[in-house]
Amino acid sequence: NAGVTQTPKFQVLKTGQSMTLQCAQDMNHNSMYWYRQDPGMGLRLIYYSASEGTTDKGEVPNGYNVSRLNKREFSLRLESAAPSQTSVYFCASSEGGTGGYGYTFGSGTRLTVV
Amino acid sequence: AQSVTQLDSQVPVFEEAPVELRCNYSSSVSVYLFWYVQYPNQGLQLLLKYLSGSTLVKGINGFEAEFNKSQTSFHLRKPSVHISDTAEYFCVEGASGGSYIPTFGRGTSLIVHP
Repeated sequence: NAGVTQTPKFQVLKTGQSMTLQCAQDMNHNSMYWYRQDPGMGLRLIYYSASEGTTDKGEVPNGYNVSRLNKREFSLRLESAAPSQTSVYFCASSEGGTGGYGYTFGSGTRLTVV
Repeated sequence: AQSVTQLDSQVPVFEEAPVELRCNYSSSVSVYLFWYVQYPNQGLQLLLKYLSGSTLVKGINGFEAEFNKSQTSFHLRKPSVHISDTAEYFCVEGASGGSYIPTFGRGTSLIVHP
């Protein structure tokens, strides 16, 4: 089925380790987003890419980097993981980003940093 | 800046009872409004959206929402809930005015009791 695919689904890291969360969409969407979800905090935007070749910081970018590899793929990298980055991470995409196109979400990556 | 307020963090209700989840938005210009549902351990799925036109919007699973410009509200309703409706519900204002960032409410946890 068409949609947003995130890998891995689960990950446990030790403090200081690095990893990359992968996200790919097959809907030819222009805009892509990375969110983290923590209990009682709703969804908080980490980074977004309005279109291929551009990336911008969101609300909580510290400790993360992103790469818009091509139109389909948008990865999130944790260079040196910290326990505060334990969270559920969601990737989303949108046809236009701005306007009434709506957003399609992946199923999430549950990350635990010990 | 846009803001979306979901007035209830948790709504408990008995099965087959009606329910209303309240949402207020802040934008004074044209708005694009969405309701998303997140079932346990899943990503977010689109329930319904308001772009323009009729103020009563029907979505999936028997949900509907009413756009009220004078009260800047977009409340979600269902006349008779099922146990399977237990989930987190997010009200979202789509990006506008040159921004690519949607605005999420904090979420309302709907808990349906047998």
